[in-house]
Amino acid sequence: SALTQPASVSGSPGQSITISCIGTSSDVGGYNSVSWYQQYPDKAPKLMIYEDTNRSSGVSNRFSGSKSGNTASLTISGLQADDEADYYCCSYTSNTTHVFGGGTKLAVL
Amino acid sequence: QLVQSGAEVKKPGASVKVSCKASGYTFDSYGITWVRQAPGQGLEWMGRISVYFYNTIYAQKFQGRVTMAAETSTKTAYMELRSLRSEDTAVYYCARGTTGTFDLWGQGTRVTVSS
Repeated sequence: SALTQPASVSGSPGQSITISCIGTSSDVGGYNSVSWYQQYPDKAPKLMIYEDTNRSSGVSNRFSGSKSGNTASLTISGLQADDEADYYCCSYTSNTTHVFGGGTKLAVL
Repeated sequence: QLVQSGAEVKKPGASVKVSCKASGYTFDSYGITWVRQAPGQGLEWMGRISVYFYNTIYAQKFQGRVTMAAETSTKTAYMELRSLRSEDTAVYYCARGTTGTFDLWGQGTRVTVSS
C-alpha cells in the first residue's frame, strides 16, 4: 500500500520544513532506495533526492533527504515561494516493485 | 528527453497504447517506468521494463491488463492498458530508470475513458 505522507505542510519564506514518508521494513526501512519528487500543477514530476540522501544534479542544496528506520524525510531549508508544489516520496519494495507516497502539498505563506 | 504520444479518448472496455520516444541517451542502458496520476490524485507506480534484458514487472493492480514493451530500433517504449474503465482516466507518464531514480520524465499523456 501507499507510503504515508502528510497531506499538507506550510511554512514562511526563509523557514525550514520537513515532510515525512512512513513505510515499513518491506520498503522504506529495507532498502536505501527512497526518492523524492517535486511536481508543479499540470507538470511532470522532477527528481529531487534519490537513494535516501543524494541530491539530483542541479537541485539546490536547500533540499536534503534523510531516513531513520521506516521513516524517510525531505527537508527544505530557506523556503522560497517557488518551493510551493506537491512532493512525493517513492520506495523500492520487497515485491521488487515501487510504491509512491500519497503526496504532500507544500504552501509557502 | 522523453516525448510521449498525444491525448486519447476511449470508451469503456477499449484499449489504449501510449508511446514514449527517447532521445539524447543510450536507450538500452536504462529501463522505463510507467506512472499514472488520476485527476486531483497522487502518483501511482504501474510497472517497469528493463530495455536491455527485456523483462517487465507490473504492479499487482494492473496484472493481466497491462503490457509494457520497448523497441530499441526506434528508441520507443510502449504501455498498453486493456479493458479500460472510468477509473483509468488519468495522465500517464513514462520515466527513465527502474531502480527508483526516475531522473527523466515524459510530458505525460492524458487518457480519458468515457462512454
